[in-house]
Amino acid sequence: SQTIHQWPATLVQPVGSPLSLECTVEGTSNPNLYWYRQAAGRGLQLLFYSIGIDQISSEVPQNLSASRPQDRQFILSSKKLLLSDSGFYLCAWSRGQGSTDTQYFGPGTRLTVL
Amino acid sequence: AQSVTQLDSQVPVFEEAPVELRCNYSSSVSVYLFWYVQYPNQGLQLLLKYLSGSTLVKGINGFEAEFNKSQTSFHLRKPSVHISDTAEYFCAVSDQGGSEKLVFGKGTKLTVNP
Repeated sequence: SQTIHQWPATLVQPVGSPLSLECTVEGTSNPNLYWYRQAAGRGLQLLFYSIGIDQISSEVPQNLSASRPQDRQFILSSKKLLLSDSGFYLCAWSRGQGSTDTQYFGPGTRLTVL
Repeated sequence: AQSVTQLDSQVPVFEEAPVELRCNYSSSVSVYLFWYVQYPNQGLQLLLKYLSGSTLVKGINGFEAEFNKSQTSFHLRKPSVHISDTAEYFCAVSDQGGSEKLVFGKGTKLTVNP
C-alpha cells in the first residue's frame, strides 16, 4: 500500500530564517506531487504541482520554491521566511491518471513564523 | 477557471441529527466533484467523488452527496451524525478536460455536540 510522510510535524521559525519541508511517498512510482498551504479561513491554496522530476509548476508568486530531487521526494523551501508564510502545509500525491484522480494527503506540517 | 463556494463556514449540530453541508461551483467547462474531510491536525482524505452516472453518490462513513447540474451544486448529507464526524469538510472540483489540479472551497467546520 502507499503511504505519504511529511516532516517535521511542527516548526517554529523566526522571520528571515530559511525553510525546508520534506515530503516522501512510498509504494508507488512516478506520482504527481502537490504542495498546498492552508491558512485559517482561506481553504487550501495550491502552491506547487509536479508531474515528474524537474517538472514543477508554481501556482502563485511567492518567496517559496519547490524541488523534486527524486521521483518520490518533494521539498518546499524558502531562503527568508515572512510572517505571512505561517500556516499548515500539506503535501499530496496522485497517480497521474487525469482529472478523475483522487489526491492522497500527508499529515501536514504546521509552520509558525514569529 | 473554476471556483467553489461553501456557503457555511461553521455548522453545529446535535448527535444523531441529520446534516447537510452546501457546496456550489462555477465553471465554464464540465467538472468532476469531490468532497474531502479533514480531522483535527491531520491531512485530508477523500469522502466521495462524482465522475458520471447516477447523480447520488455514496461515500465512506455514511455520507452521500447529490450532483445537481442545473443548480451547479454538490451538497453533502448524512442522515444521522456522530461525535466522530466532527471535522472540516472541503468541496473541490477538477476540470474534466484538464489536469488533476483541484480547486477547493474554503471549508465547512462541522461540530457535532452530545
